Amino acid sequence: GAGVSQTPSNKVTEKGKYVELRCDPISGHTALYWYRQSLGQGPEFLIYFQGTGAADDSGLPNDRFFAVRPEGSVSTLKIQRTERGDSAVYLCASSLQPGHLGADTQYFGPGTRLTVL
Amino acid sequence: AQSVAQPEDQVNVAEGNPLTVKCTYSVSGNPYLFWYVQYPNRGLQFLLKYITGDNLVKGSYGFEAEFNKSQTSFHLKKPSALVSDSALYFCAVRDSTGTASKLTFGTGTRLQVTL
Repeated sequence: GAGVSQTPSNKVTEKGKYVELRCDPISGHTALYWYRQSLGQGPEFLIYFQGTGAADDSGLPNDRFFAVRPEGSVSTLKIQRTERGDSAVYLCASSLQPGHLGADTQYFGPGTRLTVL
Repeated sequence: AQSVAQPEDQVNVAEGNPLTVKCTYSVSGNPYLFWYVQYPNRGLQFLLKYITGDNLVKGSYGFEAEFNKSQTSFHLKKPSALVSDSALYFCAVRDSTGTASKLTFGTGTRLQVTL
């Protein structure tokens, strides 16, 4: 079946602009995660959704970052007033509902490379 | 807080030789441990995991990993490396307690397999 998809694959923007990054999880996966991977680093957790609600947003760096998942499927990560330090690859992952066999495994999309000039 | 250490930035091995990529972790409670591989301009691909049970777990592409609780390690191994195994490898951990699901990753180890 189809994996996690993310759009756009690349986004170049200017400092101060607003951007939206989209994630479409694997069909049937109720859990959705956002991570950020800076150059030379491992992915860092941003936020986790279970269904429509954010179950853990402890990784969001500041209030310029916000994410939504209004219908419990597609999620959008929104970044306001972008800064050069926001440049990174933003990864989305999904998994089955907790309690299901294999729910502990997260499957990642290809990522969106964000460049802030 | 949970953490992962991958002490080697790069591992070089000749094709056909065994390979080991090291990982140690710190977590409250029992760990769930994972290995992912990342090819250039691609997302992370799941390789294998340890949740419970046998300390030696087998995964995709002939990789395996050994969980060692006393040494808090989860080293990735393969008996015979292939040039196509060259990629960036990440170890990750999460706490098995509660509903927290976030993964904490190491900084990655680049595996270079040469002919």
